[in-house]
Amino acid sequence: GQQLNQSPQSMFIQEGEDVSMNCTSSSIFNTWLWYKQDPGEGPVLLIALYKAGELTSNGRLTAQFGITRKDSFLNISASIPSDVGIYFCAGQDGYNFNKFYFGSGTKLNVKP
Amino acid sequence: NAGVTQTPKFQVLKTGQSMTLQCAQDMNHEYMSWYRQDPGMGLRLIHYSVGAGITDQGEVPNGYNVSRSTTEDFPLRLLSAAPSQTSVYFCASSYAPWDRVAKNIQYFGAGTRLSVL
Repeated sequence: GQQLNQSPQSMFIQEGEDVSMNCTSSSIFNTWLWYKQDPGEGPVLLIALYKAGELTSNGRLTAQFGITRKDSFLNISASIPSDVGIYFCAGQDGYNFNKFYFGSGTKLNVKP
Repeated sequence: NAGVTQTPKFQVLKTGQSMTLQCAQDMNHEYMSWYRQDPGMGLRLIHYSVGAGITDQGEVPNGYNVSRSTTEDFPLRLLSAAPSQTSVYFCASSYAPWDRVAKNIQYFGAGTRLSVL
């Protein structure tokens, strides 16, 4: 299957700091997606990217679809305690649109 | 709207037992899928369905069966549970992933935590 590398694995930051995480894949993706998962819950979609080069914002979150279609990043500005959770990138297979692959997650800890 | 409902929330099985994880959605979504999540790993696609009567394999299908007799329901069957199937299972649904206008927003259930002893 697709190899999706997400980094960093975990982050410990102070409230108010900016955060950046990224994903790279071994093959092209049709869509890049960023999810947040809280403990005991299923992932919730934060941002979806549909076109190479696309830059999209959702409040304090900004994400970009890489030009090569093999990478994406997510930035969180001015972090707050409720940003704590696990963030996953996911990609829609560029050849089989019905298949989605997830990164291993970035665990974010925010100190008040 | 209930969204995506998974039952049970927790289950403990003995090796060799069978069981069915239930998933139902009330959003009239064509696409439904099952994932497993293991510690330190992302979600891995087990099986998916693009409509009633149509299913296909994902990344890790071995040991699991699915069927889709209605738009609403997509059960996942473990025929003979093994300790390697200890995991958290998530069901998700969305409009057609191949339809750009629909926008690939997958809604996830709260998960089923399965332990196989």
